[in-house]
Amino acid sequence: SQQGEEDPQALSIQEGENATMNCSYKTSINNLQWYRQNSGRGLVHLILIRSNEREKHSGRLRVTLDTSKKSSSLLITASRAADTASYFCATGRGAQKLVFGQGTRLTINP
Amino acid sequence: GAVVSQHPSWVICKSGTSVKIECRSLDFQATTMFWYRQFPKQSLMLMATSNEGSKATYEQGVEKDKFLINHASLTLSTLTVTSAHPEDSSFYICSARAINPTSGTDTQYFGPGTRLTVL
Repeated sequence: SQQGEEDPQALSIQEGENATMNCSYKTSINNLQWYRQNSGRGLVHLILIRSNEREKHSGRLRVTLDTSKKSSSLLITASRAADTASYFCATGRGAQKLVFGQGTRLTINP
Repeated sequence: GAVVSQHPSWVICKSGTSVKIECRSLDFQATTMFWYRQFPKQSLMLMATSNEGSKATYEQGVEKDKFLINHASLTLSTLTVTSAHPEDSSFYICSARAINPTSGTDTQYFGPGTRLTVL
């Protein structure tokens, strides 16, 4: 069953602004991952955060994890037009049987 | 590193024919590969787990006789959609499990996907 739920489903912002996407899940996890998918393409792995971590950074990306609320957020700072894509969270145990959220479609307007 | 390719990138076929999609890990060996299906503007749904040298494990609701999976080597898994029908039209994505050499993290690397259109 689909575990992750993301909000918003769609987000449109101006270039240079920050974009925040949220993900909630239902069962206990070992880690949570975020992926990006450009239209009609495969997925690109962005970042993995383990269940014992609360925050992680990678370049302009900042991910937080709150296991008590079973939620995670992805923040993209100083957005660029190239950040336009769909973003998915995925939960699983290691690389086994990832369960993906519904995704957030992010549009960066120039 | 950790590049996964899929072939073909798109295919159009007539109803009733079979279509084979290949998934290759180009620079690493993958004992485990995964096949997903994605409908427009929807998320990825895991179809099956492909293990090298053994039978694939299918998710509930996925017909194993319809979606044949063969993982004959450590770098190749194939998905054959048999007797395809228009409702099988979808975006099929594979992934391969590998250890990230930088972080040591066990993760999945995804192929670019194959768009199947059944007329």
